[in-house]
Amino acid sequence: TQLLEQSPQFLSIQEGENLTVYCNSSSVFSSLQWYRQEPGEGPVLLVTVVTGGEVKKLKRLTFQFGDARKDSSLHITAAQPGDTGLYLCAGARRGNYQLIWGAGTKLIIKP
Amino acid sequence: ETGVTQTPRHLVMGMTNKKSLKCEQHLGHNAMYWYKQSAKKPLELMFVYSLEERVENNSVPSRFSPECPNSSHLFLHLHTLQPEDSALYLCASSSRAAGGPDNEQFFGPGTRLTVL
Repeated sequence: TQLLEQSPQFLSIQEGENLTVYCNSSSVFSSLQWYRQEPGEGPVLLVTVVTGGEVKKLKRLTFQFGDARKDSSLHITAAQPGDTGLYLCAGARRGNYQLIWGAGTKLIIKP
Repeated sequence: ETGVTQTPRHLVMGMTNKKSLKCEQHLGHNAMYWYKQSAKKPLELMFVYSLEERVENNSVPSRFSPECPNSSHLFLHLHTLQPEDSALYLCASSSRAAGGPDNEQFFGPGTRLTVL
């Protein structure tokens, strides 16, 4: 049973379009992290959201943590080819340093 | 060197070979992890070394054997692997601290392993 469901699994869009990636669970997390992984590299942490309802912005990327801390979304405005990569979400539970990972969303932005 | 480094970056081995993967972190962290990444699947945590204790995923076959001689170095010893073990093996480190966001993990670039 996969505890963190990411959708869509794959997304290919044109440069300049907007998109949203979702990370959903029936479990409550103390925090949730988003990573981006480029081909041939390991995942790199983008952001950590901690408070229910929290919204964080990183340039054109907007991250939101659900009020109940069970889900999160990543919205990209005016996507650029440099946004191409595998986006992973990972949930943390208090007192447990091991993360629960989603399977990832592979994003391709075409010029 | 900065961050987390892994060697080799690519490895092709036969099922009867013995090889080792190496990971080194230069971040002063006190926890290190081995993950297996297969296409379209969540990262699979294989082993964790944290504050000198070892935690392992019971589903990992015994043909994978970790070693952590100190807080900066981590090895994964491989022997008699199977073709289904072909994957990207990622090393990560983090800093465990009570009450803080201590789950943020920093990854190495991975070793792409192919078992023939």
